[in-house]
Amino acid sequence: EPEVTQTPSHQVTQMGQEVILRCVPISNHLYFYWYRQILGQKVEFLVSFYNNEISEKSEIFDDQFSVERPDGSNFTLKIRSTKLEDSAMYFCASKELQETQYFGPGTRLLVL
Amino acid sequence: QKEVEQNSGPLSVPEGAIASLNCTYSDRGSQSFFWYRQYSGKSPELIMSIYSNGDKEDGRFTAQLNKASQYVSLLIRDSQPSDSATYLCAVTRYNYGQNFVFGPGTRLSVLP
Repeated sequence: EPEVTQTPSHQVTQMGQEVILRCVPISNHLYFYWYRQILGQKVEFLVSFYNNEISEKSEIFDDQFSVERPDGSNFTLKIRSTKLEDSAMYFCASKELQETQYFGPGTRLLVL
Repeated sequence: QKEVEQNSGPLSVPEGAIASLNCTYSDRGSQSFFWYRQYSGKSPELIMSIYSNGDKEDGRFTAQLNKASQYVSLLIRDSQPSDSATYLCAVTRYNYGQNFVFGPGTRLSVLP
């Protein structure tokens, strides 16, 4: 069964460093998403991407964040200058035209 | 502010009992409703979706939607210890990005 994959599974970085989180959505899906979940808190929407552009973004998704679909398969989230409060689990999700989103296993980011 | 609310729990039920999980949402423009299950440290996995008022059954799970009351629920019949997890309610509007707004989740514990 097709699934969303994410790499790395864990990332430790120093405050101020750039990180890139990678996702491979399900191949025939059209919509792509990033969510984050700070430990013990709810899952929060960051950004959605459709037709090679951002379709929606939340207040969390400020100028430090960017997304890219550099080729036909990968979907990346870049955080330019990480802060302590960026420590969280980051989930990628994708879907076809219908509404069910399928989530990847997540990347646990720890900023020291 | 578009909010989705859930009782945080923990909700404890004995094995074989019915577990009832509730969710309310504030945005009357909400179109689609989803229940996800999340085990600790893992990503959300879809249980079921519901789009119109009434009940929808899938195996041991029944989702109920009442748009007038802005209320959606999930019943789990014949609860098993493996059902012990956090249950997330997710709501989406028909906006361009179709992103989810998640509730904080209800932690369910099924006691053997």
